[in-house]
Amino acid sequence: EVQLAESGGGLVQPGGSLRLSCAGSGFNFNGYWMTWVRQAPGKGLEWVATIRQDGSEKYYVDSVKGRFTISRDTAKTSLHLQMNNLGAEDTAVYYCARDNRLQGFDYWGQGTQVTVSS
Amino acid sequence: DIQMTQSPSTLSASVGDRVTITCRASQSISAWLAWYQQKPGKAPKLLIYKASSLESGVPSRFSGSGSGTEFTLTISGLQPDDFATYYCQQYNSYSRTFGQGTKVEIK
Repeated sequence: EVQLAESGGGLVQPGGSLRLSCAGSGFNFNGYWMTWVRQAPGKGLEWVATIRQDGSEKYYVDSVKGRFTISRDTAKTSLHLQMNNLGAEDTAVYYCARDNRLQGFDYWGQGTQVTVSS
Repeated sequence: DIQMTQSPSTLSASVGDRVTITCRASQSISAWLAWYQQKPGKAPKLLIYKASSLESGVPSRFSGSGSGTEFTLTISGLQPDDFATYYCQQYNSYSRTFGQGTKVEIK
């Protein structure tokens, strides 16, 4: 069974940093692109970042470029999102998802809450 | 970046109704479009990919159509479990843009 489990969310002050992780199991993690998607309170889904299987290609939404870094650990089958210089606009539930390039995001984690507030 | 526009934003319907949600892309995305269903407090669930292909395990009352810039999601015979928010998403480009969502409410 494919499973994705996020961790690392929490309350952080404006300007602070946080590192999210996503553990994948039940599938060949190293064979898939992986993605982070977020959802602000009461709002829609927003694609945040995507990384290729080997980490050689990374793509970001404009609003996080230069502040967020997506990475993956192929040995530990985990995905990460390093978030720096956080602002209130980054408050959201963050989901990791398996990016099946021909079928969209076919598996999702349960999400982890990130709250940026003083 | 490719913009995705869904309509309507909210839809009121009754059990058994046929409902249609429209999604428009700001430029051609061929058939690289997916539809997701999301219930409150839950992760989104993939329903349709490549505009019209039904994801495994999804009931056949869900169907998708379209190509280029105009797409539709149809639910034929709305069931109580279908009241949720639906999102379209393009995956033609590396920035995987979502539509703003359509909430299907009980009439």
